[in-house]
Amino acid sequence: EVQLVESGGGLVKPGGSLRLSCAASGITFSSVSMNWVRQAPGRGLEWVSSISSSTSYIYYADSVKGRFTISRDNAKNSLYLQMNSLRAEDTAVYYCASGTTDVLFEYWGQGTLVTVSS
Amino acid sequence: QSVLTQPPSVSGTPGQRVTISCSGSNFNIASNYVYWYQQLPGTAPKLLISRNNQRPSGVPGRFSGSKSGTSASLAISGLRSEDEADYYCAAWDDSLSGVVFGGGTKLTVL
Repeated sequence: EVQLVESGGGLVKPGGSLRLSCAASGITFSSVSMNWVRQAPGRGLEWVSSISSSTSYIYYADSVKGRFTISRDNAKNSLYLQMNSLRAEDTAVYYCASGTTDVLFEYWGQGTLVTVSS
Repeated sequence: QSVLTQPPSVSGTPGQRVTISCSGSNFNIASNYVYWYQQLPGTAPKLLISRNNQRPSGVPGRFSGSKSGTSASLAISGLRSEDEADYYCAAWDDSLSGVVFGGGTKLTVL
């Protein structure tokens, strides 16, 4: 059974930083691309960032470029999102999702809530 | 304003067939696969349709996807109360070098 478990969410002040983690099991982590997708309260899904299996390809949404950094540790089956210069509009549930070259966002975690507020 | 356009809501009665449209452009839907996700209330999204029209294992045959040009559609036949959820389309966008989602469609089963 595939399991993706996010952690690291919480309350942070505007301008602050937070690091999200996603622990994967039940998949060959080193063979899949990984992604972060967020959902603001009461809103739709928004893609945030993607990283290929070997980290050769990394992409960011314009809304987070220059502030967020995606990374992964294939030895630890883990995905990360370093979020700096956080803004109120970054408040959302952040989901990690795995994918392949054939399938976008195949498996999803349960999400972790990030709240940016003073 | 989402890059992919979906109707905010659709509704139907049990047993009916409903469709949800997803409109995009040559940069996304026309040139890349379309995916559909189902999000039941209070839960994480789940892959419903892959690569335009492929159903992952465990997804009932009542769900089907299609694509033509810059538009795609999700059809749900034999509507059931448990289908009440939000549905999202998504595709890679070549001009943005990123994934774009539709704004989501809330399905209500009357």
